[in-house]
Amino acid sequence: DTEVTQTPKHLVMGMTNKKSLKCEQHMGHRAMYWYKQKAKKPPELMFVYSYEKLSINESVPSRFSPECPNSSLLNLHLHALQPEDSALYLCASSQPGTHTQYFGPGTRLTVL
Amino acid sequence: GDSVTQMEGPVTLSEEACLTINCTYTATGYPSLFWYVQYPGEGLQLLLKATKADDKGSNKGFEATYRKETTSFHLEKGSVQVSDSAVYFCALDQNDMRFGAGTRLTVKP
Repeated sequence: DTEVTQTPKHLVMGMTNKKSLKCEQHMGHRAMYWYKQKAKKPPELMFVYSYEKLSINESVPSRFSPECPNSSLLNLHLHALQPEDSALYLCASSQPGTHTQYFGPGTRLTVL
Repeated sequence: GDSVTQMEGPVTLSEEACLTINCTYTATGYPSLFWYVQYPGEGLQLLLKATKADDKGSNKGFEATYRKETTSFHLEKGSVQVSDSAVYFCALDQNDMRFGAGTRLTVKP
């Protein structure tokens, strides 16, 4: 099973809302990632968790707050977003050291 | 730093035509190399990978060979289908994943 699941598939939110994106994998991977992908662009790395600890934060604004409650789950909490934050948010996982990342289907976020 | 350069798109082919999407990389060490495919409205799917020089990755009729001497990892398929229409990303991973800009392929019946 090489599946990473993400919910919701689509999300529309206002600039004052608080919402969360969820990601789950059951492959036993101990590294999990959040990427942001704008239209017609490659994914941009936002955060990396390794063994449930935040190891990389690519200078992401504080309105994005990641959380890794256990080795299978990864959340991205959203608050006071801007319209330019509208994008496809992708989660990925890998076994540390293997360099092979498996991606979920993404959450299409629209900020009004 | 590490980087990936892939051919500009879009690429439009007729069904059963041959496909080559060029990808070259710059890295100080020995990265793993990947091709990911993204179908419309979906996430990225791992298409194939190679972890060392001269390795050939293959999947679903697609192939790519890790060429260290030319720092290349070109994607090839002998006969494309309409269902291959997607965006293809070349990527390398040494300390973190670096993606190329993506190449949009459209296959017409």
